[in-house]
Amino acid sequence: NAGVMQNPRHLVRRRGQEARLRCSPVKGHSHVYWYRQLPEEGLKFMVYLQKENIIDESGMPKERFSAEFPKEGPSILRIQQVVRGDSAAYFCASSPRQGSNYGYTFGSGTRLTVV
Amino acid sequence: QQQVKQSPQSLIVQKGGISIINCAYENTAFDYFPWYQQFPGKGPALLIAIRPDVSEKKEGRFTISFNKSAKQFSLHIMDSQPGDSATYFCAASKGTSYDKVIFGPGTSLSVIP
Repeated sequence: NAGVMQNPRHLVRRRGQEARLRCSPVKGHSHVYWYRQLPEEGLKFMVYLQKENIIDESGMPKERFSAEFPKEGPSILRIQQVVRGDSAAYFCASSPRQGSNYGYTFGSGTRLTVV
Repeated sequence: QQQVKQSPQSLIVQKGGISIINCAYENTAFDYFPWYQQFPGKGPALLIAIRPDVSEKKEGRFTISFNKSAKQFSLHIMDSQPGDSATYFCAASKGTSYDKVIFGPGTSLSVIP
């Protein structure tokens, strides 16, 4: 069991470029959550996905951000036309069932730097 | 209503001492309160969790105390060790059905020899 795998670990993008962050959940987990962590701040919820469905995207900015979790392959968090304020650590977590009391398993994150 | 407050922001404890981190919430619908531990460069890892039907839960050196009437809960780390140096996040959610986990802002703990 390899746990939650996120790649890349570090990503540098120039302003205006696109960033694609990938997350492979724990094998057998069909629930994926994305969180953003700014320096000296806690984890802010962005989006919750199940296979092929977005369940809750209330924490995701309406523009430039999108997420998917296809039937096959990893979950993708996509940020278009990145700005400096998007610089943060982005963490993906997975769980085996609906309901947060089963505990989340987090990946090691992708650290996005926008220059 | 969805916030989880956490204090202190940072904490320095001598090896062998007790580390105490406090959290408070407002939403009485929350019924699951996990604590996560995060080392630099790593993702958070679930440390211990409690539901409001108990006032205390202990796992090894880690104890959660829960005060439902005050809507407060705390993490106690007994016999703190340098290896405990990390950032600790309290969190809350309506764990019985889907709801997102809301995290506190975190406490940076340093245990010095």
